[in-house]
Amino acid sequence: QKEVEQNSGPLSVPEGAIASLNCTYSDRGSQSFFWYRQYSGKSPELIMFIYSNGDKEDGRFTAQLNKASQYVSLLIRDSQPSDSATYLCAVNPTSAGGYNKLIFGAGTRLAVHP
Amino acid sequence: ETGVTQTPRHLVMGMTNKKSLKCEQHLGHNAMYWYKQSAKKPLELMFVYSLEERVENNSVPSRFSPECPNSSHLFLHLHTLQPEDSALYLCASSRGTGGLDEQYFGPGTRLTVT
Repeated sequence: QKEVEQNSGPLSVPEGAIASLNCTYSDRGSQSFFWYRQYSGKSPELIMFIYSNGDKEDGRFTAQLNKASQYVSLLIRDSQPSDSATYLCAVNPTSAGGYNKLIFGAGTRLAVHP
Repeated sequence: ETGVTQTPRHLVMGMTNKKSLKCEQHLGHNAMYWYKQSAKKPLELMFVYSLEERVENNSVPSRFSPECPNSSHLFLHLHTLQPEDSALYLCASSRGTGGLDEQYFGPGTRLTVT
């Protein structure tokens, strides 16, 4: 059974701090990795994707991938109260086929307090 | 995100009713997806259509019946549902290019089965 694991939280950080969200996956052959943000009562919104080992930065967000450890993380710098949401990690276990069969973690709830 | 729309946004139905959920994407994508999101559970992939052909059916009960008449429209026909089917049903679409394919979600339909 292919699985994606996330700490459910809540992860509570003060405004301006760095929030670190972690995700592990079981399928060593996984090819690509996605982070979604989901506000309460809303649908998931894509933040970033990564497919190579190392870091990928986009504004205040940095995704980190370590395929050897089967670990992917999302760092949010200068956290704002508006970043308070549930963050979903999603893994594509294969690159075959003309579609993307994502496996989602249950999400980590982030709370940024002023 | 107006690229993927879903109707209705909220639906209450009895166990003997028949209803349909509609999804439309305006992004020129070739793959469309149905997901189920229940409280405190990961997003569950239900069906995938690639170029209007169903390519995934994740052991979904037959009381859920998908239909993809063209690459822009996706339906989920519902009949004789159970209370445990109450959930947020999300539609997503992607270009259909495989592993690095980003999925974009619609706003979802909140379904309550009474």
